Amino acid sequence: DVKVTQSSRYLVKRTGEKVFLECVQDMDHENMFWYRQDPGLGLRLIYFSYDVKMKEKGDIPEGYSVSREKKERFSLILESASTNQTSMYLCASRNYRGLSSTGELFFGEGSRLTVL
Amino acid sequence: GDSVTQMEGPVTLSEEAFLTINCTYTATGYPSLFWYVQYPGEGLQLLLKATKADDKGSNKGFEATYRKETTSFHLEKGSVQVSDSAVYFCALSAPLRNQFYFGTGTSLTVIP
Repeated sequence: DVKVTQSSRYLVKRTGEKVFLECVQDMDHENMFWYRQDPGLGLRLIYFSYDVKMKEKGDIPEGYSVSREKKERFSLILESASTNQTSMYLCASRNYRGLSSTGELFFGEGSRLTVL
Repeated sequence: GDSVTQMEGPVTLSEEAFLTINCTYTATGYPSLFWYVQYPGEGLQLLLKATKADDKGSNKGFEATYRKETTSFHLEKGSVQVSDSAVYFCALSAPLRNQFYFGTGTSLTVIP
């Protein structure tokens, strides 16, 4: 079975703390994504990576950074957490082959972050 | 730009009722279309997909047909169960831009 694993299901942090959210996939996928999900706003793309050490900003990158040192691992970093970053964070991966790609996203179970 | 519009919820149905969740899209080229389901407290799971016009995706009694003429991909199920209570997301994949676009989700509650 294919798997995307997020390191923490639930986290509680304080304002100003540095937060790391880890994501690992075992499918040898090139592409990995970080979304946040908020009620009424659906899924919003924070960052994605199409290869090791490569990253692209999504729709809402402010206040976040990412790291992809190995193909299977994609980390989301909140340098200084704020209360408006309280949210559900979803990691996903995909096997992308350009114009011929019809591949779906595979999601992790999500990390619910609360910033106090 | 590319986008997905799906009907807003929440939707509440009685068990064994017929379900339709509308989804329309805007895209250049030939996108692939998807329905994802999210059960409470979990991530998204692929429910079904269609990769070209007139394709029908189906899974667990759910169906959706890729209609290019109406740019639609409506989700249907003939008889819903309590266990179908979840949030459903319509999505498209734009090959030329390696991007996924999601609708805002439709919450479904099925009551016994």
